[in-house]
Amino acid sequence: DVKVTQSSRYLVKRTGEKVFLECVQDMDHENMFWYRQDPGLGLRLIYFSYDVKMKEKGDIPEGYSVSREKKERFSLILESASTNQTSMYLCASTNTGSSGNTIYFGEGSWLTVV
Amino acid sequence: GQSLEQPSEVTAVEGAIVQINCTYQTSGFYGLSWYQQHDGGAPTFLSYNGLDGLEETGRFSSFLSRSDSYGYLLLQELQMKDSASYFCAVRYNFNKFYFGSGTKLNVKP
Repeated sequence: DVKVTQSSRYLVKRTGEKVFLECVQDMDHENMFWYRQDPGLGLRLIYFSYDVKMKEKGDIPEGYSVSREKKERFSLILESASTNQTSMYLCASTNTGSSGNTIYFGEGSWLTVV
Repeated sequence: GQSLEQPSEVTAVEGAIVQINCTYQTSGFYGLSWYQQHDGGAPTFLSYNGLDGLEETGRFSSFLSRSDSYGYLLLQELQMKDSASYFCAVRYNFNKFYFGSGTKLNVKP
């Protein structure tokens, strides 16, 4: 079974702190994603990576950056956390091509910024 | 840009059939997916339609009409455990996915 592991389930950070959310997948998937989920807004794409060191901005990249130094690992960075970044963050991965129709999600990281 | 519309909430009784509709406006459209998410859990894949027509997986079926930019998820023989949020998602530009805001399904005894 594909496993997408997010290192932290629950975090509480102070405004202005730098926050790292780590994600690892074990199925050699090319594509990895970071989504943010808020009530009534669904899942919104923050960043997308289709290869090591490659990234594309999603719909809401402001205030975030990402790093993909190894194929299995995709990190989301909040450079200076703000209260409006309090949310649930979901990491996901897929293959490329026709086998990439299924997105596999991690369990989510609940971030509270105070 | 991308846009998806689906109802925010649907209520049905155990044993009934429910249909959740999804309309989309997407450039670079590849296909339409459905995901289920229970409270506190991660979204899990239910189905994918790349071509027009009906896909059936057990009690769940999904339909796509590319000419109408429309799809639906059909859940039959509803069970209490089907109470969850259901998201439609378009696959576009080959490797990107855009999600709707979700439909909360309440199944009552």
